[in-house]
Amino acid sequence: SQQGEEDPQALSIQEGENATMNCSYKTSINNLQWYRQNSGRGLVHLILIRSNEREKHSGRLRVTLDTSKKSSSLLITASRAADTASYFCAPVDISNFGNEKLTFGTGTRLTIIP
Amino acid sequence: EPEVTQTPSHQVTQMGQEVILRCVPISNHLYFYWYRQILGQKVEFLVSFYNNEISEKSEIFDDQFSVERPDGSNFTLKIRSTKLEDSAMYFCASNRDRGRETQYFGPGTRLLVL
Repeated sequence: SQQGEEDPQALSIQEGENATMNCSYKTSINNLQWYRQNSGRGLVHLILIRSNEREKHSGRLRVTLDTSKKSSSLLITASRAADTASYFCAPVDISNFGNEKLTFGTGTRLTIIP
Repeated sequence: EPEVTQTPSHQVTQMGQEVILRCVPISNHLYFYWYRQILGQKVEFLVSFYNNEISEKSEIFDDQFSVERPDGSNFTLKIRSTKLEDSAMYFCASNRDRGRETQYFGPGTRLLVL
């Protein structure tokens, strides 16, 4: 699968503010997955949005997908200190054969300032 | 909620030694993956596994690496003769249906080769 490019590379905001990070990709997808990684820890799945969906919510998370622009955004509302982490998008192509690996970029490093 | 588990959480080994990293995927999942993350770098795909055989492997996954599903629950990654550059965090992941479904990651095994 292709690699997504997250933007910005780093983001620092005050606790309680909203955080928005973006992902761009190059070729058509079946779905796009967002993950979070706390420093030195495993990847935690946040949301999977399919190519026929435009918006999806999960708690304080809102993900949008614009397939015409080949981009997605992740909004975290009312941020908390525990949201401090790196965030990655993983666009998933579907090929006819084999399993689909995820390809990760460098992510957005989000820091929430108490 | 079911989780992917990995053992050990940390492993220190001497260069040239064999190591086996163990994973227990989520029980109704059929597709299994190994990824690794060298400190400060991206998460990289190593191998995917389905129906008791490798579906895809990366250039990193050379003859020193092997995977096995020895029973109905475990999924292992073996490195036959470790090198210093094998020091990394190794993550196991699983899902139900190729790229169409979320991959769930384990917490990782931190491998240090001395």
